[in-house]
Amino acid sequence: DAGITQSPRHKVTETGTPVTLRCHQTENHRYMYWYRQDPGHGLRLIHYSYGVKDTDKGEVSDGYSVSRSKTEDFLLTLESATSSQTSVYFCAISATGRTYGYTFGSGTRLTVV
Amino acid sequence: DQQVKQNSPSLSVQEGRISILNCDYTNSMFDYFLWYKKYPAEGPTFLISISSIKDKNEDGRFTVFLNKSAKHLSLHIVPSQPGDSAVYFCAASVRNSGGSNYKLTFGKGTLLTVNP
Repeated sequence: DAGITQSPRHKVTETGTPVTLRCHQTENHRYMYWYRQDPGHGLRLIHYSYGVKDTDKGEVSDGYSVSRSKTEDFLLTLESATSSQTSVYFCAISATGRTYGYTFGSGTRLTVV
Repeated sequence: DQQVKQNSPSLSVQEGRISILNCDYTNSMFDYFLWYKKYPAEGPTFLISISSIKDKNEDGRFTVFLNKSAKHLSLHIVPSQPGDSAVYFCAASVRNSGGSNYKLTFGKGTLLTVNP
């Protein structure tokens, strides 16, 4: 793969607790994205980043925040996890060209109980 | 409002036959389209793409057709193999005004099962 790793791979947490997911890339790509995948909804964009400290909201950003203090790391935080945030979370990176789209990480399966 | 639609949640075909996966879009500003394949417990992987200035792009067993007037694209897999069994996502993008960034909008996916 293109040097993108997500951690943790699996996590179970309780409702109301904060959770942070990490995406790390070694490709020095400028753009990074967080998606969630849910049955019947496909992949939906949560937040994205277009550079260090530059982030913006996607279509399902409520309840999530992100930070990017270094090019290689993009963090997704659930401030107070809810059961509706049980999902599989994918991080993606892209270069400036559109021909090959994004490269995705292997995902983090998050369960909120 | 779903801008990229994959209306068939699943498709089953016999090995060796053709698989045709369909995708419709509503945003006329989309100008680049991609297909991704996803196996269980893995991230989606890029399969093939097409620019809106073309109507066909071929890569081995995979061909994507684009009909701009109908806002429809399809992925043809010939011949289908059991290893092609996966979820296939259609995605579309529109170039941001800055020209260098883009965001992908995905469909809900179609589960393809190729039976031996």
